[in-house]
Amino acid sequence: GESVGLHLPTLSVQEGDNSIINCAYSNSASDYFIWYKQESGKGPQFIIDIRSNMDKRQGQRVTVLLNKTVKHLSLQIAATQPGDSAVYFCAENWGNTPLVFGKGTRLSVIA
Amino acid sequence: EAGVAQSPRYKIIEKRQSVAFWCNPISGHATLYWYQQILGQGPKLLIQFQNNGVVDDSQLPKDRFSAERLKGVDSTLKIQPAKLEDSAVYLCASSPPGQGAGNTIYFGEGSWLTVV
Repeated sequence: GESVGLHLPTLSVQEGDNSIINCAYSNSASDYFIWYKQESGKGPQFIIDIRSNMDKRQGQRVTVLLNKTVKHLSLQIAATQPGDSAVYFCAENWGNTPLVFGKGTRLSVIA
Repeated sequence: EAGVAQSPRYKIIEKRQSVAFWCNPISGHATLYWYQQILGQGPKLLIQFQNNGVVDDSQLPKDRFSAERLKGVDSTLKIQPAKLEDSAVYLCASSPPGQGAGNTIYFGEGSWLTVV
C-alpha cells in the first residue's frame, strides 16, 4: 500500500476560519515532506516544505507541523479564502528517492 | 521565470492508438519527471531523468510506454498502444540540481488524456 495517506478525503470550511489538513506517513526514514495545492484543471503547485529536523515551519498564511513520533503531518491555513479551494496533497521522500504522494484532501470553502 | 511547459493540454484517442506528450522543463533544471495522475488520486511517478539518463523507470509500463530526453532538456512520453485505463493526466515536473535530500519539484499544467 501507499506509505502516505490522508485522514479525510473532503473538508468544508467557512470563509475566514482556519483549515487543518492532516496526513499520515508510514516510512520512518522519510526526511522531507511537501504540501502541494492542485486546483481544478491545473498541475500541483508547491505550497510549503519541511525537513525532518524541524517540527514546524511557517509561510504566508500556512503552517506545516511535523510530528515524527506518530508520523503525522498537518497543513494549517489561516483565514481560509475562496481561492484556497483545491485538492491538497502531502508528499514525502528520503534521500534522493522520488516524491511519493498521498491521495489528497479536497478543501471546499463556504462563502 | 517560465514554468514547466507541456503539450498538448488535451488529447482524446481511441484504444490501441498512439499518443505522444512533450515537456520542456524549467531552464537549468537537470532532473525531469513524468507522473501519471488518475482522477481522484495523487500523482504516481512513471520515470525520472537526470540530464539525459534514466534514474528510475521502475513504474513505467514498458510494454506500451516509452520516454526519452535525448539532449538533456526536452522530453517526450509516448504511449502505444493506448488502453482505456491509460486515461489520466500526465504531469511533467522538474527540479534543480544539488538539492540533495529534499527534492522540491515543480509541475507543469499536465496533458489530459482520454482513451475511448
